[in-house]
Amino acid sequence: NAGVMQNPRHLVRRRGQEARLRCSPVKGHSHVYWYRQLPEEGLKFMVYLQKENIIDESGMPKERFSAEFPKEGPSILRIQQVVRGDSAAYFCASSQATNTEAFFGQGTRLTVV
Amino acid sequence: GQQLNQSPQSMFIQEGEDVSMNCTSSSIFNTWLWYKQDPGEGPVLLIALYKAGELTSNGRLTAQFGTTRKDSFLNISASIPSDVGIYFCAGPPWETSGSRLTFGEGTQLTVNP
Repeated sequence: NAGVMQNPRHLVRRRGQEARLRCSPVKGHSHVYWYRQLPEEGLKFMVYLQKENIIDESGMPKERFSAEFPKEGPSILRIQQVVRGDSAAYFCASSQATNTEAFFGQGTRLTVV
Repeated sequence: GQQLNQSPQSMFIQEGEDVSMNCTSSSIFNTWLWYKQDPGEGPVLLIALYKAGELTSNGRLTAQFGTTRKDSFLNISASIPSDVGIYFCAGPPWETSGSRLTFGEGTQLTVNP
């Protein structure tokens, strides 16, 4: 009974590189959410996806960030040309349906050096 | 965007004491969720509230959904050292899509043995 699985747990990238964060939702969940957490702050919504569709990306920066949730495979959050300000913990959550409980993964801690 | 005001920001208590924290919002929420986050981990759902006025318990934890739908509180009775962590309130404001959550800034709880 696996929960939300995120990998890698820790990711170090140099400025200008690309970061790819992966999220496998709870089995049977078709709704995926990505959040970002800066140190000593709450989680901030980035994007909400269902299989093959972006439903709400109002929290996503307009440039360099993209997300997908393909028919097969995990959801991917992609950050191109990373900058130091992208350093944060990125959490994925999944739910079975709209307005049902969302369960979180352990997060990916991105450090940009 | 919608904001959740969570208080207090931090609490330092002795083992065995009771704890109370609360969240308020200027927007109506359909659901109130309380999460706990341990260092280096993702948030774990403690209690979910779905109806105005609802009072729900989970062991030593009790939470209530305010009747105005704009506030909620969480109580922890007879605290123990493993209660240490950051507690977040969260919810999907009624006008947002799916289970997209807005989070409070968290209450850092320290329990002295």
